[in-house]
Amino acid sequence: QSVLTQPPSVSGAPGQRVTISCTGSSSNIGAGFDVHWYQQLPGTAPKLLIYGNTNRPSGVPDRFSGSKSGTSASLAITGLQAEDEADYYCQSYDNRWLIFGGGTKLTVL
Amino acid sequence: EVQLVESGGGLVQPGGSLRLSCAASGFTFSNYSMNWVRQAPGKGLEWVSYISSTGYTIYQAESVKGRFTISRDNAKNSLYLQMNSLRDEDTAVYYCVRDPQSGVTPYFDYWGQGTLVTVSS
Repeated sequence: QSVLTQPPSVSGAPGQRVTISCTGSSSNIGAGFDVHWYQQLPGTAPKLLIYGNTNRPSGVPDRFSGSKSGTSASLAITGLQAEDEADYYCQSYDNRWLIFGGGTKLTVL
Repeated sequence: EVQLVESGGGLVQPGGSLRLSCAASGFTFSNYSMNWVRQAPGKGLEWVSYISSTGYTIYQAESVKGRFTISRDNAKNSLYLQMNSLRDEDTAVYYCVRDPQSGVTPYFDYWGQGTLVTVSS
């Protein structure tokens, strides 16, 4: 059971907008620690998608955006594309440990 | 181009030992903190251990404390993970990951391709 809670799965049709939530607590996200997001395509290593709650590394399309409020964070993907089908993980910090959410599998219908 | 290449994975019996290596290139290795992150088959990501750029500060997950030791050799641009007293639940792909040391909360901007460790009799 992960300290950060994500929905196991979400889905959407091409072109639609989907969001993935990441719920923490007052000892991690709510304590002011940043949330980062990673995308893991099937059979590959994870890749940094969003850092510092809202920032995109160079090369990440602006279809991907992050937000944070209180003890939760969200990843939004607009203009859904088939190649976005992957697992998505949020990550933060809690009591000297780096913590991950359990992951969300995005299916593009 | 930043590259992280892990090696040393394989099949080991419960109670056995294994040493993972990670060869870094394309950046000044001695300027960055490094970590190991693992992923059990079909499961999510789990942070394992952190080492500062100088090697003086080390943190470990409770699940591996006392059994795993992270180290680095900045002269060789290499990161290591010595794994002792291995258990079935240590079976996972182990990723070498870089911490860009930017912002309030650590994160991982580059990942290796991973090396599979299988603990089984």
